[in-house]
Amino acid sequence: GDSVTQMEGPVTLSEEAFLTINCTYTATGYPSLFWYVQYPGEGLQLLLKATKADDKGSNKGFEATYRKETTSFHLEKGSVQVSDSAVYFCALSDLSYNTDKLIFGTGTRLQVFP
Amino acid sequence: ETGVTQSPTHLIKTRGQQVTLRCSSQSGHNTVSWYQQALGQGPQFIFQYYREEENGRGNFPPRFSGLQFPNYSSELNVNALELDDSALYLCASKREGFQETQYFGPGTRLLVL
Repeated sequence: GDSVTQMEGPVTLSEEAFLTINCTYTATGYPSLFWYVQYPGEGLQLLLKATKADDKGSNKGFEATYRKETTSFHLEKGSVQVSDSAVYFCALSDLSYNTDKLIFGTGTRLQVFP
Repeated sequence: ETGVTQSPTHLIKTRGQQVTLRCSSQSGHNTVSWYQQALGQGPQFIFQYYREEENGRGNFPPRFSGLQFPNYSSELNVNALELDDSALYLCASKREGFQETQYFGPGTRLLVL
């Protein structure tokens, strides 16, 4: 079945450092891809999404490009802030199902220190 | 536009009991999904409701059941609670259509003793 694999955390960075969180996926159809962020004690917030190959999603300085050839959707940010500390989830939604259920990775915790 | 709300925020039950969790969808959203997030894991899809009918289910036993009401609020019911049911339960609502974004509520944290 479909699945998402994320790099294990925690990822620990100093403020203004460059961030990459790796995400790869397995899907039988043509999935949409998402990054969600979860701040402590809160639910999930959509960070960005891409619905087809070569699409780039971007929001709040974060970017991810849908790479069908490498089945990847890596999250990047050029300069992280302390306020970016959270858990980041990569997810896919495969239209070959009757529902657009989200399949999530296990999450990657990001810790940014001043 | 109001966000997705859930109640209660925290709940403690004992093994074998039954629990009902509630979700109020974002205004204009007629589709709701429920997810279970165990500690340190990603959310797992339980089921989805569209216009008061279940239209998809994940790998969860029948003791997990749901309802969606005409105002698109919904409930998740879990019978015969087990220790492994301890988790954060998230609901997400969206407008009709596959490409629409799912908006998540803050979750209900359930502890089963």
